[in-house]
Parts: sequence; C-alpha cells; structure tokens
Amino acid sequence: SQQGEEDPQALSIQEGENATMNCSYKTSINNLQWYRQNSGRGLVHLILIRSNEREKHSGRLRVTLDTSKKSSSLLITASRAADTASYFCATRGTGANSKLTFGKGITLSVRP
Amino acid sequence: SAVISQKPSRDICQRGTSLTIQCQVDSQVTMMFWYRQQPGQSLTLIATANQGSEATYESGFVIDKFPISRPNLTFSTLTVSNMSPEDSSIYLCSGGRENTEAFFGQGTRLTVV
Repeated sequence: SQQGEEDPQALSIQEGENATMNCSYKTSINNLQWYRQNSGRGLVHLILIRSNEREKHSGRLRVTLDTSKKSSSLLITASRAADTASYFCATRGTGANSKLTFGKGITLSVRP
Repeated sequence: SAVISQKPSRDICQRGTSLTIQCQVDSQVTMMFWYRQQPGQSLTLIATANQGSEATYESGFVIDKFPISRPNLTFSTLTVSNMSPEDSSIYLCSGGRENTEAFFGQGTRLTVV
C-alpha cells in the first residue's frame, strides 16, 4: 500500500506562479524523495531529503520535511509550462535495503 | 546519475502470450527493482531483482506470473506471463544504491488485446 499521500491531487496554475505540493506519510523514514513523470514516461528524480534534514534547495525547487508531522512539501518557484507533469513523493523506510514506496501523485498543469 | 536502458518501449500483445522486458543499468547501480504503473495510477513495486538468486516479490505478485532474472549486477529481465487485458500497464525498471535516489528506465507500455 502507498505510504505517501500527496495533496492536492491536481493543481492548475499560471506560468510564473509558484506551485506547492504536499506529501504526508505514516511510518518512520530514512529519506523522502520527489520525482517527476511526464506523460507516462520514466520517472525523473528531483530531490532527496534525509530524515535529519529540514529543508533543501535545488534550482527552482525547495523541499521541506517535518518529521514530527510526517509531512513534506515541494515548492516550485516561477513555474514554466515545461513543469507540467505528474509529481510523486516516495519514502524510503529505515530498515536495511528498505524499498521505496510511492504516493498517488499530483498532476500539475502550468498554463502559458 | 545512473543510466537505465529498458526495452521494448512499447508492445501490443495477444492475450495468453508472454513478453520479456529487458533492463540494462550502468555500474553505479547495486539494487534493481521492477514496478508496475496502471493507467492514471501510482507505481506499485512488483519485486526486487536479486543478483544470481530468486527475486523478492511483493504481496500480490508471484513468480509464475512475473518471473524475473538478474544474472549479473547490471542486467535484469521481467517476463509478464500468460497475459490478459488486466496486465496492460507501464512496467518500469529502476536501479539505485541503498538509501539513495532511484533511477528509472523510460518504461515499457504494454497493451494486451
């Protein structure tokens, strides 16, 4: 069963605006990751944040992690039409060789 | 980042037949996984491909239906056996190292008719 639950399920914004996507999870994690998927193709890794980190940046991406609330957020600033895709959070558990468990995903549409 | 090559990229198959999907990863990868993504859905892990031994299957997936091989560190195959229309999905190969990011192939879009 999915560990992560993203919200909203769908988001539509105007180009240039910021997009915020949230993810909640249930059990202890080693790290949390965000991925992007364009039109049913392979997933592209965006950013990984470890359980002892609170915030990470990568270009226009900002990820936060609150382990007390078991939640994470992905912020895409100054969105572009090319950011239109599905976004998934995925959690890695704390056990050895723990698998990556994906949430249901968020569909982001950026209107030009 | 690791390079994951997966083929075929898509196929249309008759029910009752089998399809083998191949995945080649570069040497940065130690772990390999197979996922299924049904239309409009998230990814579901089928199994972990173990080098030189039987794959570790997740609940709801069995070896007879999804036999997996991994003869060496960088190559794995997934076979979808005795296919039915319900097997129509995107199948994704993934690789990575423990507790780091995962890299994905472009997926195999399977349609069973």
